[in-house]
Amino acid sequence: KQEVTQIPAALSVPEGENLVLNCSFTDSAIYNLQWFRQDPGKGLTSLLLIQSSQREQTSGRLNASLDKSSGRSTLYIAASQPGDSATYLCAVADSNYQLIWGAGTKLIIKP
Amino acid sequence: DGGITQSPKYLFRKEGQNVTLSCEQNLNHDAMYWYRQDPGQGLRLIYYSQIVNDFQKGDIAEGYSVSREKKESFPLTVTSAQKNPTAFYLCASSRGLAAVNEQFFGPGTRLTVL
Repeated sequence: KQEVTQIPAALSVPEGENLVLNCSFTDSAIYNLQWFRQDPGKGLTSLLLIQSSQREQTSGRLNASLDKSSGRSTLYIAASQPGDSATYLCAVADSNYQLIWGAGTKLIIKP
Repeated sequence: DGGITQSPKYLFRKEGQNVTLSCEQNLNHDAMYWYRQDPGQGLRLIYYSQIVNDFQKGDIAEGYSVSREKKESFPLTVTSAQKNPTAFYLCASSRGLAAVNEQFFGPGTRLTVL
């Protein structure tokens, strides 16, 4: 059974730092991996989707990588800003086209 | 503006009552989903619908019911059979399968059982 883990559960860094969020999964037979952002008490916003055949995707200051063989994805945020404070969730699409979700990493960017 | 709306934002329920959460989308998406979010856990799929008049159970469907009579609407009823309904409920839609297409989420409904 596919399991998705995000460690750490919370992270606090000073403004301006580059940072990496981690997502690991137990079964490498995935269709794609997706990263989302959730602001407190709100819905989710899709950030990046990496197909299983891809190694990375970029959008502005965000870069997501995928290593299927090791069951890992990272979300790199460059030059962090207070507005980046949110919870970041990853989800993998398994071979049955179902999304399996991690619990998220709560990110706080200190001004 | 295109998007997904959920109402109400906050909902309080007494034990033994059924309550219905509303979800409406104007994105012309075929697929709609209901998730439950609890602190410290990932989203869990309750029900999903890939087309009007058809829906499928997700991982935690017990105690919940849905209908899909219109493309735009996918209401979720939390019945008295759901033993622990206090949670944050999220509705989402996508053009096709969520695993393949970008999902768009509503703002959520927080349900509290008194």
